[in-house]
Amino acid sequence: DGGITQSPKYLFRKEGQNVTLSCEQNLNHDAMYWYRQDPGQGLRLIYYSQIVNDFQKGDIAEGYSVSREKKESFPLTVTSAQKNPTAFYLCASSMASTGQVGYTFGSGTRLTVV
Amino acid sequence: GENVEQHPSTLSVQEGDSAVIKCTYSDSASNYFPWYKQELGKGPQLIIDIRSNVGEKKDQRIAVTLNKTAKHFSLHITETQPEDSAVYFCAASNPNTGNQFYFGTGTSLTVIP
Repeated sequence: DGGITQSPKYLFRKEGQNVTLSCEQNLNHDAMYWYRQDPGQGLRLIYYSQIVNDFQKGDIAEGYSVSREKKESFPLTVTSAQKNPTAFYLCASSMASTGQVGYTFGSGTRLTVV
Repeated sequence: GENVEQHPSTLSVQEGDSAVIKCTYSDSASNYFPWYKQELGKGPQLIIDIRSNVGEKKDQRIAVTLNKTAKHFSLHITETQPEDSAVYFCAASNPNTGNQFYFGTGTSLTVIP
């Protein structure tokens, strides 16, 4: 089955620590995205990548970093510089080369700072 | 940049009634409008989409309408069922920003049995 997998489902972080959220897809999609979801605020774009070894900042990139070394993988690191990291994080992918098409989302990672 | 507004934020309907969720967008260049359904603890799933060259699209009990002049689009769910209860998001994208979507803030729909 093709799909997009996020892990872990739940993640707890102590203040001052960096954590990395995993996102893997086997859909052969070119583009991948990271969104943050907070209650009442919808989805906000953190970073996106249209091709391997290239990525761009979204609207709320401060305190986050990404890499795109493989087409299938787009990990997100939440650094200690992110002031309010507790949120639900969603990874998505799409066949960007075919024009505007809907995203396929993963099932999300809920990050809590303790 | 694009700004997408979505209303209402919460909506309760009796089973069998219709539900309508409305979105407006600001960038006249936007030409692709997907709708997503998100169940509790899960990622959003695409349920229907519409492109700017059509005014309406239907898929069984779900339909979407688009008014390009007024820059608004709506999701219509008929004969609602309890399993329709979820959060629904609209989104807009335009060719100038590749496939980057701008999302509305979501509507929490509750269908009362």
